[in-house]
Amino acid sequence: NAGVTQTPKFRVLKTGQSMTLLCAQDMNHEYMYWYRQDPGMGLRLIHYSVGEGTTAKGEVPDGYNVSRLKKQNFLLGLESAAPSQTSVYFCASSYGTNANEQFFGPGTRLTVL
Amino acid sequence: KNQVEQSPQSLIILEGKNCTLQCNYTVSPFSNLRWYKQDTGRGPVSLTIMTFSENTKSNGRYTATLDADTKQSSLHITASQLSDSASYICVVTMNTGFQKLVFGTGTRLLVSP
Repeated sequence: NAGVTQTPKFRVLKTGQSMTLLCAQDMNHEYMYWYRQDPGMGLRLIHYSVGEGTTAKGEVPDGYNVSRLKKQNFLLGLESAAPSQTSVYFCASSYGTNANEQFFGPGTRLTVL
Repeated sequence: KNQVEQSPQSLIILEGKNCTLQCNYTVSPFSNLRWYKQDTGRGPVSLTIMTFSENTKSNGRYTATLDADTKQSSLHITASQLSDSASYICVVTMNTGFQKLVFGTGTRLLVSP
């Protein structure tokens, strides 16, 4: 099992450009999450999904959109990137509720110039 | 305000020595508390999960304690190894509808040979 994988690993964007981060999990988990991690701050939840076809906003959803068309995939989109979105993005998944153990991907380091 | 505070922010110890990391939280209502290990450039990996009724849990050389009355937790690392060099993140789950996770900012541990 690969667990949770993320693509790409690194990306540099110019302000105003768009991109999509892909997360895939092979553990048949219902719940999937997108977090961002910034220096000196704890991980913050951007969006999450409790099942295929469903998405919901987390703590810091502004500037991001998500889609969960297939159970194993969770996409995070930036329509018009801003320097404030420079961060490391982590995808995670869990079985059942998010109170259960969450398994994290390796992260995507995004820089917006 | 629901917060998780960790101390120290960073720590350097000699290989083979023991150390204890602290976590204080003000999260309510409480569901569970987790400790994660995050290697540089990687996603967090779960070490332990403790519910309200558990006051200690071990995972190899890692032992976590929980005092739900004082809202404090500690992570004790025994006979440290170079591979223990990482950030250790304390996470508290709220016992609410979505069961939100509140992340600490982590303690960065460096084990020196």
